[in-house]
Amino acid sequence: ETGVTQSPTHLIKTRGQQVTLRCSSQSGHNTVSWYQQALGQGPQFIFQYYREEENGRGNFPPRFSGLQFPNYSSELNVNALELDDSALYLCASSPGLAGGTLSYEQYFGPGTRLTVT
Amino acid sequence: KQEVTQIPAALSVPEGENLVLNCSFTDSAIYNLQWFRQDPGKGLTSLLLIQSSQREQTSGRLNASLDKSSGRSTLYIAASQPGDSATYLCAVKKTPGTYKYIFGTGTRLKVLA
Repeated sequence: ETGVTQSPTHLIKTRGQQVTLRCSSQSGHNTVSWYQQALGQGPQFIFQYYREEENGRGNFPPRFSGLQFPNYSSELNVNALELDDSALYLCASSPGLAGGTLSYEQYFGPGTRLTVT
Repeated sequence: KQEVTQIPAALSVPEGENLVLNCSFTDSAIYNLQWFRQDPGKGLTSLLLIQSSQREQTSGRLNASLDKSSGRSTLYIAASQPGDSATYLCAVKKTPGTYKYIFGTGTRLKVLA
């Protein structure tokens, strides 16, 4: 069973550009969450997707958007990049409803380190 | 607004010591609390999850307690080893049905051989 993978590992972008980060969920997981972790801080919840629909969002502006695909892989898109967007972006997949029980276990990927200059 | 604080921010101990990491939260109306471990350059690994109705959870050398009324949780690590060196994060969740966790800033632990 493969774990959660993210690509790319590192990325450098210029202020004002757009970026797409990718996440491949663990097999059988139908829920994915995205977090932003600034240096020296804890992760902050961006949003979550369940079966291709966004069903939870943190305090992030609309220029942070996402997609979840039928195979449950996911993308995080950030438009009009700002310097403060520099951070480690983590995705986490969860089994969601499994056998009638909602599981709150999350399996995190290694993250994508985004630097905005 | 829920705030999660972890003290100390960094800790260095000799191998074999028992240690306690602290986590406090301002809103006691939580659904559950998780402790995570984060190694440099890697994602988070869930260590223990405590539901709001539980007082503690144990896994191997780890024991996490929860006192919801006082807004506190502790992670106890017995007989620490150099391999335990990592950043430990606690996170709380207010409502069921989402994975929206509020994280603390973590405690960076170094266990010296």
